[in-house]
Amino acid sequence: SQELEQSPQSLIVQEGKNLTINCTSSKTLYGLYWYKQKYGEGLIFLMMLQKGGEEKSHEKITAKLDEKKQQSSLHITASQPSHAGIYLCGAEHGSSNTGKLIFGQGTTLQVKP
Amino acid sequence: DGGITQSPKYLFRKEGQNVTLSCEQNLNHDAMYWYRQDPGQGLRLIYYSQIVNDFQKGDIAEGYSVSREKKESFPLTVTSAQKNPTAFYLCASSAQRFSGANVLTFGAGSRLTVL
Repeated sequence: SQELEQSPQSLIVQEGKNLTINCTSSKTLYGLYWYKQKYGEGLIFLMMLQKGGEEKSHEKITAKLDEKKQQSSLHITASQPSHAGIYLCGAEHGSSNTGKLIFGQGTTLQVKP
Repeated sequence: DGGITQSPKYLFRKEGQNVTLSCEQNLNHDAMYWYRQDPGQGLRLIYYSQIVNDFQKGDIAEGYSVSREKKESFPLTVTSAQKNPTAFYLCASSAQRFSGANVLTFGAGSRLTVL
């Protein structure tokens, strides 16, 4: 099984609807990172969460890290076609500071106009 | 503008041939990483380097080799020993400040297809 599980694997929503993507870890998280990817392109950094209970927002996207630091959620309010793409969570599972991240399998989001 | 440049964008290889993917960064980052992406599997770490002239194996290093002779460059060679090399390859770098604050900056990727 994956160390980092994302759900759902894919999502189709109508423009204007809200949606949530979850990322669950089998180990304590030392850092949780959300990225967005257009198919066939590189990853674009969205947000980083470090502390349990932390919440960050950027435009219409909000990410939270739960108190026990083993799950994060990404919430998009009033979705737009520009939100379409693949969302990936990445995590550091140790404090050794190698900087290497483990990634979830990704969630593909389609937004219907 | 600072960033990471990967080349080539698309590469075709015949079975039995080695190929080298280029990764160059001008962000003055100490650490660099190579990931492989397959459909439905997210990203898997191949190799990483935290400092010049040193690198470590990731989770799927078999059939790959790297070098880190310069801070700016971290080329990846896909050897003929790699059984299933067709994939999308992503290079990344980070300033590696401290655990929990290592934002990776990614290149645009290289798609390798074995014919």
